[in-house]
Amino acid sequence: DQQVKQNSPSLSVQEGRISILNCDYTNSMFDYFLWYKKYPAEGPTFLISISSIKDKNEDGRFTVFLNKSAKHLSLHIVPSQPGDSAVYFCAARTGTASKLTFGTGTRLQVTL
Amino acid sequence: GAGVSQSPSNKVTEKGKDVELRCDPISGHTALYWYRQSLGQGLEFLIYFQGNSAPDKSGLPSDRFSAERTGGSVSTLTIQRTQQEDSAVYLCASSLDQGLWEQYFGPGTRLTVT
Repeated sequence: DQQVKQNSPSLSVQEGRISILNCDYTNSMFDYFLWYKKYPAEGPTFLISISSIKDKNEDGRFTVFLNKSAKHLSLHIVPSQPGDSAVYFCAARTGTASKLTFGTGTRLQVTL
Repeated sequence: GAGVSQSPSNKVTEKGKDVELRCDPISGHTALYWYRQSLGQGLEFLIYFQGNSAPDKSGLPSDRFSAERTGGSVSTLTIQRTQQEDSAVYLCASSLDQGLWEQYFGPGTRLTVT
């Protein structure tokens, strides 16, 4: 039972354009959502997060949007840069639980 | 300062053998997590340690898997009688406290069971 889903395994975007990565979840108890970025042979690194009491969080070129009614969140990267090429994981947690539930990841390739 | 370190980086073992994977968390981090990523899958939670509390073992897939954390620092994940389906990248993460959400990940140990 995949509670966090990233239905697009890969995405290719031209440098300077917007990258939109999507994530859907099924567990309505999730109240905190995170995006992690992973380069090959490295562990995931935290990128940005959002609490369920908000619908948007912005940090520089990265913005995360949360639509609770649709159980959907998205990560926008504007403008996309070649160094953004990596695998992006969506993750979620519930209440006081510390463990994260991850999606399967989306591989982003930013082309010149 | 140093990040989370894991050893070995790669491990190839024969089916049926036992393996031990090591994690050194960031100094001062009280919470430590083990996840694994199988081919084509997301990260799957295995076990979580917080201070002196009993660990959350709810993600361990079978009784062949166990983990311990000595002295509130270094952790060892042990897989007994390895099976081919245990092949995955095993990732360790630590965080300052259970209440803080940012988990810092190590580079992982790639386990291949032949």
